[in-house]
Amino acid sequence: QKEVEQNSGPLSVPEGAIASLNCTYSDRGSQSFFWYRQYSGKSPELIMFIYSNGDKEDGRFTAQLNKASQYVSLLIRDSQPSDSATYLCAVMLYGNKLVFGAGTILRVKS
Amino acid sequence: EAGVTQSPTHLIKTRGQQATLRCSPISGHTSVYWYQQALGLGLQFLLWYDEGEERNRGNFPPRFSGRQFPNYSSELNVNALELEDSALYLCASSRYGVENYGYTFGSGTRLTVV
Repeated sequence: QKEVEQNSGPLSVPEGAIASLNCTYSDRGSQSFFWYRQYSGKSPELIMFIYSNGDKEDGRFTAQLNKASQYVSLLIRDSQPSDSATYLCAVMLYGNKLVFGAGTILRVKS
Repeated sequence: EAGVTQSPTHLIKTRGQQATLRCSPISGHTSVYWYQQALGLGLQFLLWYDEGEERNRGNFPPRFSGRQFPNYSSELNVNALELEDSALYLCASSRYGVENYGYTFGSGTRLTVV
């Protein structure tokens, strides 16, 4: 079982819709969870982190964490074509090791 | 605030040669992390350096090594290059309390082994 799993996509949504990205993790002891965005040919950029159960909102982005079910999700409201990228879910393990999922490709169609 | 800087941007080497990649962290960040991102694959953890010491290592052979200097900059060395070492190598740095802030990545070094 992979430590962090994501659906590779692509996930296609129309402009203005809500994009929902999901991630599951295997280590129940994981405490911190991150979402990175990576444009093609660029390096990952941190967009959200969450460590408490529930929702955390920042602008158009909402991260959701459910430790009992071991899943993390990212909602993007009012999706824009500029949101088209690969979204990486990452989980902090012991020793400051950040383990990444393979990423979900998001395509927002105008 | 300057971000994480990596050099060179691109590097072309021949199989069997050695490659040296460099990274300067954000000012005030003491930890440096190295990741490999091969085409079609996710980010694979390579190494973590903090205060000049190697703190954690991923599942890579010993020919992947590195060091951290007193000014917290870091170097990744890949010896006896193989074709499958061709990848984007990303360096990241973090401040104290990384579990709350995550990493900040540099722009990467694209290594091509021919």
